[in-house]
Amino acid sequence: AQKVTQAQTEISVVEKEDVTLDCVYETRDTTYYLFWYKQPPSGELVFLIRRNSFDEQNEISGRYSWNFQKSTSSFNFTITASQVVDSAVYFCALINAGNNRKLIWGLGTSLAVNP
Amino acid sequence: DAGVIQSPRHEVTEMGQEVTLRCKPISGHNSLFWYRQTMMRGLELLIYFNNNVPIDDSGMPEDRFSAKMPNASFSTLKIQPSEPRDSAVYFCASSSSSPTVGGSPLHFGNGTRLTVT
Repeated sequence: AQKVTQAQTEISVVEKEDVTLDCVYETRDTTYYLFWYKQPPSGELVFLIRRNSFDEQNEISGRYSWNFQKSTSSFNFTITASQVVDSAVYFCALINAGNNRKLIWGLGTSLAVNP
Repeated sequence: DAGVIQSPRHEVTEMGQEVTLRCKPISGHNSLFWYRQTMMRGLELLIYFNNNVPIDDSGMPEDRFSAKMPNASFSTLKIQPSEPRDSAVYFCASSSSSPTVGGSPLHFGNGTRLTVT
């Protein structure tokens, strides 16, 4: 079975705080891809990052960083020095290589960054 | 480079009316997806096309829903007749290849917010 769990439904922080969004996944496949998407209040879905199952290197992009750990089946997302513009719903997703073409989505974490 | 373009952005219609949602994928992308997003169900894949051919329509709720992709640059999702429970945001997305091959990310349009009264 494939599953993506984002246990944090809502998070509220004050500007400049660091915040980590958790993503835990389940899959039996050895080759798969993980994604994070951002959905700001305006509603569009914005692709943030893709990671394949063979690349456990952490990724940093500005204030954003991602920690992929196969040992714990987690792909967590950290925002450093959060800003109000980071307020959005963040989705984690999984797809297995091969015949199954469906992205498996988490339910999302709603992040509110307050001034 | 233009992203995925969806129209209309908002649609309000009465129950029983036909609704047609439109999508223009990113040029060069050969995979196209229609998703529906609601608070109750989150993001649901309705149908997936690869090279204009429907590959998986198992997510289409019922016969009232149909989707076409007559060419590589255009797709429609039609609901006939529409019902209040169809109210949702409908997203179109495209990718440069099947996401399972190389994990190509999906690029989404801005969505169509459909309200059926």
